[in-house]
Amino acid sequence: GAVVSQHPSRVICKSGTSVKIECRSLDFQATTMFWYRQFPKKSLMLMATSNEGSKATYEQGVEKDKFLINHASLTLSTLTVTSAHPEDSSFYICSAKGTLSSYEQYFGPGTRLTVT
Amino acid sequence: GNSVTQMEGPVTLSEEAFLTINCTYTATGYPSLFWYVQYPGEGLQLLLKATKADDKGSNKGFEATYRKETTSFHLEKGSVQVSDSAVYFCALYGGATNKLIFGTGTLLAVQP
Repeated sequence: GAVVSQHPSRVICKSGTSVKIECRSLDFQATTMFWYRQFPKKSLMLMATSNEGSKATYEQGVEKDKFLINHASLTLSTLTVTSAHPEDSSFYICSAKGTLSSYEQYFGPGTRLTVT
Repeated sequence: GNSVTQMEGPVTLSEEAFLTINCTYTATGYPSLFWYVQYPGEGLQLLLKATKADDKGSNKGFEATYRKETTSFHLEKGSVQVSDSAVYFCALYGGATNKLIFGTGTLLAVQP
């Protein structure tokens, strides 16, 4: 149980375009979802926390207008990278937390974004 | 602020060797500590956890003890297998902030 999927697993887009990444909890209801960014040989950096039906809370230094997060249902959150630039190329990972645990998060497999 | 420091990899071992991956933390309050594992092409999975000082987390032959006096949570396994090859992340939750804070990850490569 507690499976989280992400789609797509890899995406290549041109500079200036937008790309949407989906994160789904497949067998549980995720009241809270998290979006992380992982740079090569670096730790996961929390970008934002989203609660179903409310606005996401962004970490300091993360541009909310560039990284649009929507958590419209208890099983789906989306991250849209708007007007992407090559420096946005990275590995994006989502995680989801259900109602039973205050801290346990279940992670998706990640999405590799390459902006050309 | 809270932070986690873990040893840089890669760590390369032969099958059946003893494994230690060091992890130390800085936190205010009383955080919970975790080890996550990321197998190639997969998401992070919780490997083990400890929620208070002197607790020992264990799973699949891996162990880690929450040492408050040394602010450490080192991961150990007595005899590694090729299937243990993965990236291991140490993390903490709580203290001054209710967020998961990760170390940089340590790549373990086990050779037959």
